[in-house]
Amino acid sequence: KAGVTQTPRYLIKTRGQQVTLSCSPISGHRSVSWYQQTPGQGLQFLFEYFSETQRNKGNFPGRFSGRQFSNSRSEMNVSTLELGDSALYLCASSLSSGRQVPNEQFFGPGTRLTVL
Amino acid sequence: AQTVTQSQPEMSVQEAETVTLSCTYDTSESDYYLFWYKQPPSRQMILVIRQEAYKQQNATENRFSVNFQKAAKSFSLKISDSQLGDAAMYFCAYRGTGGNNDMRFGAGTRLTVKP
Repeated sequence: KAGVTQTPRYLIKTRGQQVTLSCSPISGHRSVSWYQQTPGQGLQFLFEYFSETQRNKGNFPGRFSGRQFSNSRSEMNVSTLELGDSALYLCASSLSSGRQVPNEQFFGPGTRLTVL
Repeated sequence: AQTVTQSQPEMSVQEAETVTLSCTYDTSESDYYLFWYKQPPSRQMILVIRQEAYKQQNATENRFSVNFQKAAKSFSLKISDSQLGDAAMYFCAYRGTGGNNDMRFGAGTRLTVKP
C-alpha cells in the first residue's frame, strides 16, 4: 500500500506570494492533518480534516487554510507569505479521527518551503 | 491544554546498549493515546509505538518498549540493543479523545548511536 505523498517536496517563494501544498493520504484513510515543523517551534498542529470537514484547527492566522476533497486528498494554502513561514510542512493521514481507533497518524515526507 | 514535555534534548548510546527516552504529559482527560515517533535525517516521521491509556500493560514492538505510568503521567521509551539505524529525532505525542483531540508533540530528543 502506498504511503502518504506530498507535493511538491521543495518550494521557494518570495514574501507576499501564496502557495498551495498537496497531500495524498494512504488509501482508505479519511483523516488528514497538517503540521508545521521549524527548529524553533518544533511540530505545531495546523488543522485536521475528516471526510471533507475541518475537525480541528491549531493556533495559526487565517492566512493558513486548507481543504479536503471527496477522495480524501488535501491541500493547504498559505496566502501573503512571510519570512517566518519558512518551514517543513508535514501531512499525516489516519484511518479515523482522534476519537476513534485506530488513530495513529502516518506521515508524508514533507514539503520544504523557503520564503525569501 | 494538553502539553507534552521531553526533558532530554539530546541523548547518546553505545551500539548494542539500552537507552531510555523520557516523556511526561499534562492532561485532565482519562482516555487518550500516546505515541512515540522517530524522524531520521531523511525527515520521514515513522510511528515507533503506540499506547492506549486504558491499557495497563506496557506496549512493546520488538526492541522498543514503553514504561507507561498513568498516575505520574509519564511515558518513556526504552530502546534495547541499539543499532546505528536508531539514530534519529524521537518525538513523544499525545492524542486525546475529547473535543480538541489534535496530536500534541514534545520538542523531541535527538538520539545518537555510537559504534
